[in-house]
Amino acid sequence: EVQLVQSGAEVQKPGESLRISCQGSGYSFRSFWISWVRQTPGKGLEWMGRIDPSDSSTKYSPSFEGHVTISADKSISTASLQWSSLKASDTAIYFCARHHKIQDAFDIWGQGTMLTVSS
Amino acid sequence: QSALTQPASVSGSPGQSITISCTGTSSDVGGHHYVSWYQQYPGKAPKLMIYDVSHRPSGVSNRFSGSKSGNTASLTISGLQAEDEADYYCSSYTFTNTRVFGGGTKVTVL
Repeated sequence: EVQLVQSGAEVQKPGESLRISCQGSGYSFRSFWISWVRQTPGKGLEWMGRIDPSDSSTKYSPSFEGHVTISADKSISTASLQWSSLKASDTAIYFCARHHKIQDAFDIWGQGTMLTVSS
Repeated sequence: QSALTQPASVSGSPGQSITISCTGTSSDVGGHHYVSWYQQYPGKAPKLMIYDVSHRPSGVSNRFSGSKSGNTASLTISGLQAEDEADYYCSSYTFTNTRVFGGGTKVTVL
């Protein structure tokens, strides 16, 4: 079965650092991009950026560039999303998605990671 | 990059057809065929319903169809069923090599 499994919910304080993960299985991890998508409570979806696990090249949305870092370790089929200094406004659900290079669509999604940032 | 424009809500009775629009610009929706649609139930991850404007992934009902005219893409659900009640999002490639989603449309089955 093709799936993406994300790390569990997090509760963090403003200013702290954090990394959440997304592990792929059932397919060739390096053959598809991984995108990260944010969903704030009661709001819509926002594309944050994507990584090509084959060479770790990245592309970020201007709205998120400089605030988050996307990385990948193809040896363990895992992509990560990292913050160096969290803000309360980072409170959201974060989804990873398999990003088909040819169709340019997000065809497999992780279950989501809920992040709460509060003092 | 501004979000694509979708109606906040669309409703219909069982058996009817409804259409959800997704309006962008010539730099995104209107410039290529990389438009996709997603269905999301509350508390769940989105699911791909349409890719490349009008193609359905394996396993998606043929009651779902997609089209595009100019800068506006559309998702049509025919033979509306109670299980179609969900949020729907469009997404597009952009000429700056980023991706953008629509604001989402809540579909209500009356």
